Amino acid sequence: GENVEQHPSTLSVQEGDSAVIKCTYSDSASNYFPWYKQELGKRPQLIIDIRSNVGEKKDQRIAVTLNKTAKHFSLHITETQPEDSAVYFCAASITGRNNFNKFYFGSGTKLNVKP
Amino acid sequence: ETGVTQTPRHLVMGMTNKKSLKCEQHLGHNAMYWYKQSAKKPLELMFVYSLEERVENNSVPSRFSPECPNSSHLFLHLHTLQPEDSALYLCASSRTDRPNYGYTFGSGTRLTVV
Repeated sequence: GENVEQHPSTLSVQEGDSAVIKCTYSDSASNYFPWYKQELGKRPQLIIDIRSNVGEKKDQRIAVTLNKTAKHFSLHITETQPEDSAVYFCAASITGRNNFNKFYFGSGTKLNVKP
Repeated sequence: ETGVTQTPRHLVMGMTNKKSLKCEQHLGHNAMYWYKQSAKKPLELMFVYSLEERVENNSVPSRFSPECPNSSHLFLHLHTLQPEDSALYLCASSRTDRPNYGYTFGSGTRLTVV
C-alpha cells in the first residue's frame, strides 16, 4: 500500500518568516494530495490541495508544489502568523472502486509561530 | 458547523462495556469513513463505506464493528476494548462523483478505555 512520510515533525518559526513542510509518497498511482490543518481540540480542516496533473497551486499565503517524478510534495506558508500555529497533515489519495478516496496521511508537523 | 456531526464528543468506557459512536452528515455525500487518531501516529483508516457498501476494512480488530444504515449515518460499535484503543475517532465524508476532493471531517469522539 501507500506510504507517506512527512518532515519535520515539529517546526518553530518567528512570526513573518516562511515555513516549509515536506512529504514523500511511494505509490505512483496516488493522484490527489490534500493538506489539512488541525488546531488543538478541533477537527482537521482542508486548507489546500493539488491534483497530479498540476505542479503548483497557490492560495494567498499558502502554496503547494508537487514533483511526480520524485514523488514528493511540499506545503509553503509565507508571512506566518501566530494563528498558523497548528498541526499540519499531508495526505496522498488513491481513488478506489466506487470512487471513494482512500487517503494515506503523514504523521503530522506541529508548527509553532512565535510572536 | 461543517455538516458532519459526531456524538458523543467524549466517551469513557470500561473494557467490558459496549458502546456506539455515531456520525451524521447532511452534505449529500455518499462515502463515509472512520479514522483513528492516536498521539504521534498518522491518522489510520479503519473503514470505508461507499454507496452504503463497506468497501474497505483495514485489518481492524473485530471488537470494532461498523454499521452504515444509509448514506447519511455511520456508526462504530465498540465492545471489549483494550486500553490501547484509547484515541480520537474521526468520521469523514466525501462525494463519489467528486473523487479528487477533500474529506469533510467531524469533530471526533475522544475515547478513553479504562
